[in-house]
Amino acid sequence: SQQGEEDPQALSIQEGENATMNCSYKTSINNLQWYRQNSGRGLVHLILIRSNEREKHSGRLRVTLDTSKKSSSLLITASRAADTASYFCATDGGGSYIPTFGRGTSLIVHP
Amino acid sequence: GAVVSQHPSRVICKSGTSVKIECRSLDFQATTMFWYRQFPKKSLMLMATSNEGSKATYEQGVEKDKFLINHASLTLSTLTVTSAHPEDSSFYICSASKTGKSNEQFFGPGTRLTVL
Repeated sequence: SQQGEEDPQALSIQEGENATMNCSYKTSINNLQWYRQNSGRGLVHLILIRSNEREKHSGRLRVTLDTSKKSSSLLITASRAADTASYFCATDGGGSYIPTFGRGTSLIVHP
Repeated sequence: GAVVSQHPSRVICKSGTSVKIECRSLDFQATTMFWYRQFPKKSLMLMATSNEGSKATYEQGVEKDKFLINHASLTLSTLTVTSAHPEDSSFYICSASKTGKSNEQFFGPGTRLTVL
């Protein structure tokens, strides 16, 4: 299965701190994506990182990919209360472009 | 932008009735649309992939007669939950792809279905 598994399942931090979430997967991938989901809402695409890339940045977000360890991390720097949400990684590969989602990390940022 | 809408956002129905959920791509043509189901604090489970003008491809374990999908145009796909039962209560999310490559999906806001 391509399914990514996020770690930790839940993360609670204070505003201003950095938040790091990890995603591990089992087989070779083409792409890995990170999404955000506010409670009861749809998903918002954050970053796509390809298998031949090692790091990508977008604003306060930094994503790394280590294909040798089959893992990725999402770092949110200087977190804000508005960053409170669930974060999912999704991987695709093995001839399919259809991403498979992990269970997500629930992030709570306390003001 | 690439905006996807869903309607309704919430629906409560009685057991045995059918419920239709619409997914629209508002500012682009979607060659492919996807339907997901999400249980509380769980991952998204892909239910089916639909391409405009053709039959949907259902994932293993998803009953096609239970979850009817119609992708009649490049901007609209519908999911009908037939003879709904309480166990069908869930959060249903659609996504749309411009190019057919699902790694370029744009997600709708979701529909909360509660079957009494």
